[in-house]
Amino acid sequence: SAVISQKPSRDICQRGTSLTIQCQVDSQVTMMFWYRQQPGQSLTLIATANQGSEATYESGFVIDKFPISRPNLTFSTLTVSNMSPEDSSIYLCSGRDQNIQYFGAGTRLSVL
Amino acid sequence: QKEVEQDPGPLSVPEGAIVSLNCTYSNSAFQYFMWYRQYSRKGPELLMYTYSSGNKEDGRFTAQVDKSSKYISLFIRDSQPSDSATYLCAMNWAAGNKLTFGGGTRVLVKP
Repeated sequence: SAVISQKPSRDICQRGTSLTIQCQVDSQVTMMFWYRQQPGQSLTLIATANQGSEATYESGFVIDKFPISRPNLTFSTLTVSNMSPEDSSIYLCSGRDQNIQYFGAGTRLSVL
Repeated sequence: QKEVEQDPGPLSVPEGAIVSLNCTYSNSAFQYFMWYRQYSRKGPELLMYTYSSGNKEDGRFTAQVDKSSKYISLFIRDSQPSDSATYLCAMNWAAGNKLTFGGGTRVLVKP
């Protein structure tokens, strides 16, 4: 199995600022993903983080708002840019190994 | 209509009872089925992983897949208060394909 560490675990940010979330996997995974989860809701896929190339974004999510990096097989970052209160949510990093997908504990973001 | 439907609950049961959870789906191409457990303020944790139709048992947990009915189930025997969590089903049609999640069912096991 893979253990996924995310930081920060939570943050409170001001409108218009940006926050970068870091994700570290303890072993190599073939794919990494970023999800958003509103309280009491299911997971919405933001993008697939591709190693050494641009991320693949889902409909409704754009690179300018959610830039993603994945410099190697075990690390990725998600930036939430120019934040507004609507960005308040839980952001989850996920890694997949042989179709088994593991999740980090999430970053709880509140935007004032 | 959502691709994967799951009753949001909450499902409240007394300690020791059997918890029965299910999801229905519309895409007949789905072949890989998972159940995740998510405690409050935590990330989802994989409980069960099954391929195609049939049953799989792991301790108190049993997963069933009926592809002909496009219906999957998770049973928790001898439920404990520590089983109180949200349970999410997820599925995909090929390894490497993105997962499609159900909305999650909140379960409360009362002592």
